[in-house]
Formats: sequence, C-alpha cells, structure tokens
Amino acid sequence: GDSVTQMEGPVTLSEEAFLTINCTYTATGYPSLFWYVQYPGEGLQLLLKATKADDKGSNKGFEATYRKETTSFHLEKGSVQVSDSAVYFCALYTGNQFYFGTGTSLTVIP
Amino acid sequence: DAMVIQNPRYQVTQFGKPVTLSCSQTLNHNVMYWYQQKSSQAPKLLFHYYDKDFNNEADTPDNFQSRRPNTSFCFLDIRSPGLGDAAMYLCATSAYRDRLKEQYFGPGTRLTVT
Repeated sequence: GDSVTQMEGPVTLSEEAFLTINCTYTATGYPSLFWYVQYPGEGLQLLLKATKADDKGSNKGFEATYRKETTSFHLEKGSVQVSDSAVYFCALYTGNQFYFGTGTSLTVIP
Repeated sequence: DAMVIQNPRYQVTQFGKPVTLSCSQTLNHNVMYWYQQKSSQAPKLLFHYYDKDFNNEADTPDNFQSRRPNTSFCFLDIRSPGLGDAAMYLCATSAYRDRLKEQYFGPGTRLTVT
C-alpha cells in the first residue's frame, strides 16, 4: 500500500549547519508530496509542497525536490537556525488519502 | 485571519467520563478531519467529513464519534475514554475543489485521562 518512510531522529545540529531529512515514499500513480512542520505545543503547518516529478518546493530557506526515479522528497536547508527546532513530517496525497511519515525531531543548538 | 480553532487546548478527563473536543474554522472549507497523534508518532486519521457526509476509518474505535452541525463546526466525542486515548487531537480542513487537498491544521487539543 501507499506509505511514507522518514529518517528517524532525533537530529541535533549546531546553528548554521546544513540540514537533510530523508523521505522516501511508496505510491501508485502520481502523488503530491508535502513537508509539514510542528513547533512545540502547536498543530502542523504546511512548510512546502510539490505536485509532480522534478518540482522543487521551497519556503523559509527549506527546499525539497520531487524525485520520481528515486521516489524521494528529501528536505534540505543550507543554514539552520535555533528557531527551526521542531518536528518535521513528510506526507503524500494520493488523490484519496493523506499519508504521514513518523516525523523527525530537529533540535538546533546555538 | 482565516483559521482553524480548537477548544480547549488542554483537556483533562477521568477514565470512562465522556468528553467532547471542538473545532471551528473560518476558511469555509467543506472537508474537515480529526486526527489522533500520540507522542513521537505520525497523526492518525480517525474520520473526516465531506460536507455532511461522514467517513469513518476502518480501524477507528466505536468509542470515538463525531458531529458536524454546520460547515464551521465539528466535534469529537469520546464516549468512554481509556488511558490509551490520552493523545493530541488535531482538527484539519481542506477545500473539496482543491486538487491537492492541502490541509490546514488547528493547534490541537491535548487530552489527559486520569
């Protein structure tokens, strides 16, 4: 069935370090892909999205490219800040249902 | 600002005592969702509404019920909460005509069962 596999955390980085959070998916057809972010004590917020192969989603310095050949949608940021500390969820939408990954906790230390 | 509002943010109930969580939205979206999120886990879809059409996930326990009296409001009723129902409950909305069904989440209600 359709699913999302996400890199396990927690991830701890120093400020200004490079971030990669891996996400791969299994789906039939052509799903849309998303990254959501959840700050402590809050609900999920859409961070970025991509709707077709080779699309690049970007927001707040974060980027992810929809790679159909590797069924991946890895999240990257060139220089993380303390305020980026949160849990990040990869998700896909198949036209029928949303599937979320298990989340990756990121802590950025000054 | 258009938004999804959940009340209360924190709810404490006793084992077996019915509890109701509420969600309202000013986005005028016709799809509303309830998710359960346990610590360090992905949100798990409990059910959703397309307008007034109720769609229950196959593995959602009968203990969980929902009501949607109008477009703006949706309620989650837990008839007899058990200790295992302690979790964050997230409400989300999306627009039916949006092909991506991008979901807008509320801040969540953290439920504690004593």
